[in-house]
Amino acid sequence: EVQLVQSGGGLVQSGGSLRLSCAASGFTFSKFWMTWVRQAPGKGLEWVANINQDGSEQNYVDSVKGRFTISRDNTENSIYLQMSSLRAEDTAIYFCARGTGPFDNWGQGTLVTVSS
Amino acid sequence: EIVLTQSPGTLSLSPGDRATLSCRASQSVSSSFFAWYRQKPGQAPRLLIYAASSRAIGIPDRFSGSGSGTAFTLTISRLEPEDFAVYYCQQYGDLPRTFGQGTKVDVK
Repeated sequence: EVQLVQSGGGLVQSGGSLRLSCAASGFTFSKFWMTWVRQAPGKGLEWVANINQDGSEQNYVDSVKGRFTISRDNTENSIYLQMSSLRAEDTAIYFCARGTGPFDNWGQGTLVTVSS
Repeated sequence: EIVLTQSPGTLSLSPGDRATLSCRASQSVSSSFFAWYRQKPGQAPRLLIYAASSRAIGIPDRFSGSGSGTAFTLTISRLEPEDFAVYYCQQYGDLPRTFGQGTKVDVK
């Protein structure tokens, strides 16, 4: 069974940093692109970033470029999202998802709250 | 960036009804790299349809997708109680990947 289990998140002050993790199991992790998607409270889904199989290619939505870094560790079957210079508008539930599209498996989500 | 616009914003229907949801793209979506998701409150989205018309694993045949280019449709032939939720369309042919703003299907 494919599982994506997320950790990290929480409350952080504006300008601060936070790292999210997503641990994968039940599939050959190193063969898949992976993605982060976020959802602001009561709002729709927003694609944030993705990373290719060996970590050599990353793509970001413009609003997080230069502030967020996606990475992966294929020995740990995990992806990460390092978030810095956080703003109030980054407040959201963050989901990890398998693939570069479509996203056939999702993590449970983790809430990031940025206080101003 | 490809902007996806879903309509209607809210669809009020009864169990057993047929639901038709639309999604229009601001430019043509490459090779039907188009998907639909259902999201229930407090849960992660679930993939329903990919490649515009292919059902994902475990998705019942009451869900069907159609369309190409800039116009896509999700049809639910007979609404079940678990189908009252929010639906999102998504394109995955171009970067950044983009989602529609969502259509809420609620109980009339």
